[in-house]
Amino acid sequence: ETGVTQSPTHLIKTRGQQVTLRCSSQSGHNTVSWYQQALGQGPQFIFQYYREEENGRGNFPPRFSGLQFPNYSSELNVNALELDDSALYLCATQRGAEETQYFGPGTRLLVL
Amino acid sequence: DQQVKQNSPSLSVQEGRISILNCDYTNSMFDYFLWYKKYPAEGPTFLISISSIKDKNEDGRFTVFLNKSAKHLSLHIVPSQPGDSAVYFCAVTNTGNQFYFGTGTSLTVIP
Repeated sequence: ETGVTQSPTHLIKTRGQQVTLRCSSQSGHNTVSWYQQALGQGPQFIFQYYREEENGRGNFPPRFSGLQFPNYSSELNVNALELDDSALYLCATQRGAEETQYFGPGTRLLVL
Repeated sequence: DQQVKQNSPSLSVQEGRISILNCDYTNSMFDYFLWYKKYPAEGPTFLISISSIKDKNEDGRFTVFLNKSAKHLSLHIVPSQPGDSAVYFCAVTNTGNQFYFGTGTSLTVIP
């Protein structure tokens, strides 16, 4: 148990819709990163937030956006969903730029 | 452009024997290396890490070796136990704000 929770656990959407995924941070962890893990692949970095500011972004289009709140919880928003967005979405929290991240259980998104 | 590669998608080992999982990376700027373990329906769990100033780090049955000149790291599990059966990911970073993960190796420990 890492203390990082994500909601919902599963979600089904249709192409073109929008989705919001949520992540609560472990106590004392002010940095959160989001990852997309497609079937058979490793987690791919989407972006990172540190103290409510974006602190790095991977190779994902602008329709992937995020927010971090004062309590360090976070949201991942994906607009105009595509079939290829079907994946497990993981959030990971860490203390500052500490090198160890702690993952939540993930949200499995299916886009039909 | 895959920054981190785990060339063995799967590995089977007899209980009690050594499991060796391998990982190669491309960029010599990476200075911190981690191994994560993932069970189905759970997020990855941190297992062990090593910084670039070391070539070995040990924690109980788990040892990570780093060969910087070869840009290679490995995870040794001795002795392997059935509960070690999971998918293992290696990850690398140099700033702590972007991590690159390999594609994972599925380890099966046979009782």
